[in-house]
Amino acid sequence: KAGVTQTPRYLIKTRGQQVTLSCSPISGHRSVSWYQQTPGQGLQFLFEYFSETQRNKGNFPGRFSGRQFSNSRSEMNVSTLELGDSALYLCASSPPPQSGRGSYNEQFFGPGTRLTVL
Amino acid sequence: GQSLEQPSEVTAVEGAIVQINCTYQTSGFYGLSWYQQHDGGAPTFLSYNALDGLEETGRFSSFLSRSDSYGYLLLQELQMKDSASYFCAVLPGAAGNKLTFGGGTRVLVKP
Repeated sequence: KAGVTQTPRYLIKTRGQQVTLSCSPISGHRSVSWYQQTPGQGLQFLFEYFSETQRNKGNFPGRFSGRQFSNSRSEMNVSTLELGDSALYLCASSPPPQSGRGSYNEQFFGPGTRLTVL
Repeated sequence: GQSLEQPSEVTAVEGAIVQINCTYQTSGFYGLSWYQQHDGGAPTFLSYNALDGLEETGRFSSFLSRSDSYGYLLLQELQMKDSASYFCAVLPGAAGNKLTFGGGTRVLVKP
């Protein structure tokens, strides 16, 4: 099975611009979560989509948005970029939950998109 | 809200045993996970504890004590390739996959 893929891998933008990042989950995974990773704040949850609906949301401003398509692919958008948005943006997909072990807690991460805002 | 505390860095030699502690405060709790991340790489799942006790997966074991709000990851027979950052994470609710991560522990394995 192919892993989680994210495009682009690297991106350089300037303040005020907007950006769209894409994530293709593992086949059969319907849950897609997005995380921001920075040296100062660590790994922070942005939002999760399941069956084209936002199921969970983190504490980020409204400039951060996302969506999920019927094929489970997801995009996230950041508008009016700020210098502090420079980060590694990680996407993770999860399989359907199984009884017993609770595999719902196992997330498979993509390689990330490194966004630099100048 | 949720907060998880882990040591920032641990150094050990090849063949040694390292224990990475994770203490948490959370308003909801469904399980404790551990992820490994090499420099420049993506986090990869190591283990998950839904119940108190020890879970063993090869050289790595993870432990959870809900009464103490505490868990740990035990790395045995350390190898150079184990040099990485290790994150504990909690799933605060039953619905969805909203993981809250600790700050990460950087493990440096020396020859």
